[in-house]
Amino acid sequence: AQSVTQLGSHVSVSEGALVLLRCNYSSSVPPYLFWYVQYPNQGLQLLLKYTSAATLVKGINGFEAEFKKSETSFHLTKPSAHMSDAAEYFCAVSDGSGGSYIPTFGRGTSLIVHP
Amino acid sequence: ETGVTQSPTHLIKTRGQQVTLRCSSQSGHNTVSWYQQALGQGPQFIFQYYREEENGRGNFPPRFSGLQFPNYSSELNVNALELDDSALYLCASSPEGAASNEQYFGPGTRLTVT
Repeated sequence: AQSVTQLGSHVSVSEGALVLLRCNYSSSVPPYLFWYVQYPNQGLQLLLKYTSAATLVKGINGFEAEFKKSETSFHLTKPSAHMSDAAEYFCAVSDGSGGSYIPTFGRGTSLIVHP
Repeated sequence: ETGVTQSPTHLIKTRGQQVTLRCSSQSGHNTVSWYQQALGQGPQFIFQYYREEENGRGNFPPRFSGLQFPNYSSELNVNALELDDSALYLCASSPEGAASNEQYFGPGTRLTVT
């Protein structure tokens, strides 16, 4: 069974500081992993995805994530936070178990960016 | 190419009533999934439709039902509304059939049950 844990319901950073949002997954087979962003009153937008190619995945808006199998992690980073990055971020895992690729989402991490 | 759209954006219903939410997928996307997102939570999978047939279902009771139409639109119906049904309902379409691993989300419908 697949599951995902996002450590920290809220992360607060200053503008220009490093952003690190943590995600650990559990899967019985090599998974697909995703990060989505959700701005207030909007749906989810895909930031990046890991599909068993390069372990370092680059996404939109300067975000990237590294797949670490030994740590079962897929943490999201951005070198320098922008005020516009303030949003809710969701990590999701999909491993195709039972022939279904329905993703399981974490509970989300709210990123707060201070001026 | 238009994105995924949902209607209405907001809805207020009374406990016990029935509601229908609508979604229009991106053209050519033959798979649509519906999710319930309670306040402060991640999206929870309700069900998925592929080529107008239900293709998977999450842990939701039968009063949650759906339809998918040939024109890439779909509906989520909820009968006998309960207070806990208050949430943001998201639909997401996929371009490559049932095995696709990438989903495109609509903006959601905010349902409030009083």
